[in-house]
Amino acid sequence: QKEVEQDPGPLSVPEGAIVSLNCTYSNSAFQYFMWYRQYSRKGPELLMYTYSSGNKEDGRFTAQVDKSSKYISLFIRDSQPSDSATYLCAMSVGGNEKLTFGTGTRLTIIP
Amino acid sequence: GAVVSQHPSRVICKSGTSVKIECRSLDFQATTMFWYRQFPKQSLMLMATSNEGSKATYEQGVEKDKFLINHASLTLSTLTVTSAHPEDSSFYICSASLGGSSGANVLTFGAGSRLTVL
Repeated sequence: QKEVEQDPGPLSVPEGAIVSLNCTYSNSAFQYFMWYRQYSRKGPELLMYTYSSGNKEDGRFTAQVDKSSKYISLFIRDSQPSDSATYLCAMSVGGNEKLTFGTGTRLTIIP
Repeated sequence: GAVVSQHPSRVICKSGTSVKIECRSLDFQATTMFWYRQFPKQSLMLMATSNEGSKATYEQGVEKDKFLINHASLTLSTLTVTSAHPEDSSFYICSASLGGSSGANVLTFGAGSRLTVL
């Protein structure tokens, strides 16, 4: 079993829809959770990070962490074609420790 | 914001040759940089942690003699793929940790280097 599981997709939704991206993990020691966005042939860029459980909102993006279920989510509201990319979840035990990435979900927003 | 520059973005080489990839932090000092490898439709695989002024720490299964890492200054780390073979063809991405008051290991990534070995 992988430490971090993420549905690779592809996921296609119409413009304006709410998108839900998810990851599950097995290591209960993970404390730091991040979402990265990666456009084709580019390096990943950080979207959001959260510590421990709870929600965090930034514009159209909301990150949720449910440590009891070992489940994290990223919601995108009012999705735009420019949101089309691969979204990777990442997590670590300690703040200075290496990140473990999910496989990424390829998302396409259809105009 | 913090920028990590990676060069070259794309390189094609013959089997048996060596290729060097550079990773620079442009507006901040990075004592630690990370080198990842990414296969199509797969996640980022950490290859090694590059520490300024000391030897790199390699992940299990990564050949340190094949993937030479040098971190000679606080703004530059290099990855050299020695005696490259077609199976080394991949997307290589470097990153640097920004630290941060939250304590999270927030990484800034370079744009990646696509290596094709013929």
